[in-house]
Amino acid sequence: EAGVAQSPRYKIIEKRQSVAFWCNPISGHATLYWYQQILGQGPKLLIQFQNNGVVDDSQLPKDRFSAERLKGVDSTLKIQPAKLEDSAVYLCASSLDMGWETQYFGPGTRLLVL
Amino acid sequence: DQQVKQNSPSLSVQEGRISILNCDYTNSMFDYFLWYKKYPAEGPTFLISISSIKDKNEDGRFTVFLNKSAKHLSLHIVPSQPGDSAVYFCAASLSKGTYKYIFGTGTRLKVLA
Repeated sequence: EAGVAQSPRYKIIEKRQSVAFWCNPISGHATLYWYQQILGQGPKLLIQFQNNGVVDDSQLPKDRFSAERLKGVDSTLKIQPAKLEDSAVYLCASSLDMGWETQYFGPGTRLLVL
Repeated sequence: DQQVKQNSPSLSVQEGRISILNCDYTNSMFDYFLWYKKYPAEGPTFLISISSIKDKNEDGRFTVFLNKSAKHLSLHIVPSQPGDSAVYFCAASLSKGTYKYIFGTGTRLKVLA
């Protein structure tokens, strides 16, 4: 079974530029998560989708971050414009459904904002 | 407000000995707890979980203990192997609402051969 795929793996941009990350979850997984992991910290949930609907985006900085999962499968996370403090690893995870289902993580995208 | 805390950023253990990783939480409403392991340049992988109705769960060399009164959980690895060297995150979840995970800051375990 293929795991969670993410691209790109690394991205370097200058502040005020835009950037987008892509995630393809495990086939059949209804729930998709985007996490931000800043160096030395644990992953922090940014947004959670159930199929193509948002169930939790309380920690998403909506003035600059946006995410979509239009067909209930792939998802993109965008930052526009980026700030220095956005430098982090962005992790995508998926689970079969909500509830106490195990979340499976992708390898992450490492973003450096200069 | 750090609701899940891992106060030891790093731990070194000799191969074959026991590794004990600790985690404390502040929200007494958390009722599901997990441990994830993370190797460099990879995403976290699920290791073991425990619900609040239990105080112990075992899976091979890994055992998680939960002390609800102390709001404390620990992960025991026996015997420790060099391949266990990784960063370990504990996470807590509520069974109401969105079941989202709150992660600790991680403990880097190094198992010395």
